[in-house]
Amino acid sequence: AQSVTQPDIHITVSEGASLELRCNYSYGATPYLFWYVQSPGQGLQLLLKYFSGDTLVQGIKGFEAEFKRSQSSFNLRKPSVHWSDAAEYFCAVGTGGFKTIFGAGTRLFVKA
Amino acid sequence: DGGITQSPKYLFRKEGQNVTLSCEQNLNHDAMYWYRQDPGQGLRLIYYSQIVNDFQKGDIAEGYSVSREKKESFPLTVTSAQKNPTAFYLCASSMADSYEQYFGPGTRLTVT
Repeated sequence: AQSVTQPDIHITVSEGASLELRCNYSYGATPYLFWYVQSPGQGLQLLLKYFSGDTLVQGIKGFEAEFKRSQSSFNLRKPSVHWSDAAEYFCAVGTGGFKTIFGAGTRLFVKA
Repeated sequence: DGGITQSPKYLFRKEGQNVTLSCEQNLNHDAMYWYRQDPGQGLRLIYYSQIVNDFQKGDIAEGYSVSREKKESFPLTVTSAQKNPTAFYLCASSMADSYEQYFGPGTRLTVT
């Protein structure tokens, strides 16, 4: 079955520290992969996407993600976290029929 | 500015009443989606529509209904048959043949 797993329900990092949010997917074909960010009470905003080509993709707000087919992973990274990055982050996989499966989300807390 | 609007932001209803959530987009997107978001469960697809006058059930369509009479509009009705309607509802749209979705700000529905 197609699925997206975000193993960490929440993560706390210090401001200025590096960040990695994990995402694993299960999908038989070549995946279309996304990371979205959601501030409290708001909609989702696309951070970055992977369709094909270079497995390291750059997104907005200084985020990047790396697609590793052998590990079925698409982890999100940022070298230095800012307090404004505190939000919930969703990994997603595009499946057949242009439907998208979302992970359960990882809430990021940033401490001063 | 192009985007997706959802109204109202907060909605309160008594149990047993039907309620309609509005979603309008001016992005000229062909496809539109409704998701339900509950804490710790990510986004679950309720209904989606790829063209006017056509829509398909998602994973949790029971107790919900939609219409797509205009390209710009995709209202969602939460009926009294929905057993647990209190949730955050998100509308999204995308271009034809694209997995990249644009989200509205959401409507928080509380049924008591």
